Amino acid sequence: AQSVAQPEDQVNVAEGNPLTVKCTYSVSGNPYLFWYVQYPNRGLQFLLKYITGDNLVKGSYGFEAEFNKSQTSFHLKKPSALVSDSALYFCAVRAYTGRRALTFGSGTRLQVQP
Amino acid sequence: NAGVMQNPRHLVRRRGQEARLRCSPMKGHSHVYWYRQLPEEGLKFMVYLQKENIIDESGMPKERFSAEFPKEGPSILRIQQVVRGDSAAYFCASSPPVDGQNTEAFFGQGTRLTVV
Repeated sequence: AQSVAQPEDQVNVAEGNPLTVKCTYSVSGNPYLFWYVQYPNRGLQFLLKYITGDNLVKGSYGFEAEFNKSQTSFHLKKPSALVSDSALYFCAVRAYTGRRALTFGSGTRLQVQP
Repeated sequence: NAGVMQNPRHLVRRRGQEARLRCSPMKGHSHVYWYRQLPEEGLKFMVYLQKENIIDESGMPKERFSAEFPKEGPSILRIQQVVRGDSAAYFCASSPPVDGQNTEAFFGQGTRLTVV
């Protein structure tokens, strides 16, 4: 079975400060890891993914994430937060082989204060 | 290239009626996934389909729910005899047929089902 944990329901950060949204995962074998963002009453937008290669992955809107195999983590980061980054963020995982459907975490609401 | 199209965006049904949710995948995508999102919760996997085949339905409730992805036309998620607990946002995602580097799924805007 595969699972994702997002330990923080909400993260608050001031505009201009760095942000981190945490994610840990459990999967059999090597993982594919993803971050998606959801704005109110909208679908999920793909931000970035880790497939293989460099542990630091860069994605859309200045976001990046670091894959840490020993800690089974894939934390989302951004050096300088914007008010417009305020949204719901989901981490997702699937294994290299087997089921292609993603398993999502419960989501973390990011609130960036002006 | 249009994205994943879901319709309707909003659907209101009375208890006991049927709900039919449609999803047209991105052009060139032959894999479709349905997820359900309850208020203030994450997305729960329901079913994974390819054209004319159900690949994984491990997340589907055993009764009242069914899904299809015919050779022609959109994928349909069908909920019979809806109950209040079926009220949720239902999201469809699609991905290309070849697994590998381009493996991310792209999501539609969702259908928000309200059962009254």
